[in-house]
Amino acid sequence: DAGITQSPRHKVTETGTPVTLRCHQTENHRYMYWYRQDPGHGLRLIHYSYGVKDTDKGEVSDGYSVSRSKTEDFLLTLESATSSQTSVYFCAISESTGTDTQYFGPGTRLTVL
Amino acid sequence: SQQGEEDPQALSIQEGENATMNCSYKTSINNLQWYRQNSGRGLVHLILIRSNEREKHSGRLRVTLDTSKKSSSLLITASRAADTASYFCAIYGGTASKLTFGTGTRLQVTL
Repeated sequence: DAGITQSPRHKVTETGTPVTLRCHQTENHRYMYWYRQDPGHGLRLIHYSYGVKDTDKGEVSDGYSVSRSKTEDFLLTLESATSSQTSVYFCAISESTGTDTQYFGPGTRLTVL
Repeated sequence: SQQGEEDPQALSIQEGENATMNCSYKTSINNLQWYRQNSGRGLVHLILIRSNEREKHSGRLRVTLDTSKKSSSLLITASRAADTASYFCAIYGGTASKLTFGTGTRLQVTL
């Protein structure tokens, strides 16, 4: 998976608890993305980063925050998890935005009870 | 929405047959990309076609782009059971300046 790891791979949590997902890359790519994948919706962009400490919102950013303190790590935090955030979360990286290939991690399956 | 829309949503063929899936979109694009996702895995990039290109090939894959009709097609020739996966188109362009994915076509190749 192009030097991208996600942790944890599976997580079950309860409504109202904070959750942090981690994406780690070894490719030194500038851009990193968090998507969620739900049946009938395809992949939807949550947040993305275009450099250390540089982040921006995607189309479904409410309830999520991100941080990128190092090139290789991009964290996604669910500030207070809700059942609607039960999903599979994918991290992706690319050298540039849009005009380039994105490489995806293996995904994290999150269940919020 | 700038999302590409794949058609059909699901496709079942026998090994050796060709599989064609289509993607339509509504905005101008810079490029269109196709990705494959095997069950339980992340997406894998297949082909990128730019707006000034009409056709690209990669092994058994052929992608066409018709910007006048705002549509693209992905043809997989001589399908194999290992081609069983979901296939997504993703467009880059319009006002979003980000890659936007469609909902995918589920391809089932049976022996």
